Amino acid sequence: NAGVTQTPKFQVLKTGQSMTLQCAQDMNHEYMSWYRQDPGMGLRLIHYSVGAGITDQGEVPNGYNVSRSTTEDFPLRLLSAAPSQTSVYFCASSYPLAGGSGELFFGEGSRLTVL
Amino acid sequence: AQKVTQAQTEISVVEKEDVTLDCVYETRDTTYYLFWYKQPPSGELVFLIRRNSFDEQNEISGRYSWNFQKSTSSFNFTITASQVVDSAVYFCALDNDYKLSFGAGTTVTVRA
Repeated sequence: NAGVTQTPKFQVLKTGQSMTLQCAQDMNHEYMSWYRQDPGMGLRLIHYSVGAGITDQGEVPNGYNVSRSTTEDFPLRLLSAAPSQTSVYFCASSYPLAGGSGELFFGEGSRLTVL
Repeated sequence: AQKVTQAQTEISVVEKEDVTLDCVYETRDTTYYLFWYKQPPSGELVFLIRRNSFDEQNEISGRYSWNFQKSTSSFNFTITASQVVDSAVYFCALDNDYKLSFGAGTTVTVRA
C-alpha cells in the first residue's frame, strides 16, 4: 500500500529557480494539504484542498501555488525559490469529515534547500 | 485567528516515569477538532488522536491518555510508564474548517 507519496525526497535549488513538489495518494481521500516544517515552529499549513478543482490558502501561502485536477494528485509549485523557503515539506491527505479533516496520512517529507 | 501553544519545548524523563505534555489552544469558533501527532527520530508523522469540540470525555489508549478541558482550552497528553520508544516530537493541532494549526512541538526524550 503506497499511501501518500512525495517526490523528490531531496532537492537543492538556486535562488530564483522554480520547481514542483509532487504528491500523490491512492486512498481516494478528498482532503489534501501541504505543510512546511521549520525548527521550533511546528508544521505550518501552506495550501489545502477539499476536493478536485477546489483549493484554498493556509497560513503561509506566499510564494507557492497549487492545483487539484484529480483526486489523487496535489502538486506544490515554488514559483521563484528564495532561501526562506528552505524547509522540509510534508503532504498529507484524509477523508474530510463534517467541519474538518479526519486522521491525516502524511508523506515521508521532501527536504528542500535554496541556495 | 487560531493558535496552538505547547509551552514545553523539551522534556527529559527516565524510563517508567510518567510525562504530561501540555497543549493550550485559542479559537473563536465553537466547532473544531483537536489532534495529537507523533514524529519519531525517523521523521514520519503519526496520528495519535482526534477529538471534536463537543466531546470532552477523556480517553485512554494503552499507556496514552488525553485530558480535554474546554473551560481552560487545553488538550493535554500523558504517557504513563514511558519507554525509550516514546522518544519523539509530539505535536498538538487544532482544525477549524479544514485549516489546521500546529503547535511548535514538544521533544520528549526517554532515557533508559
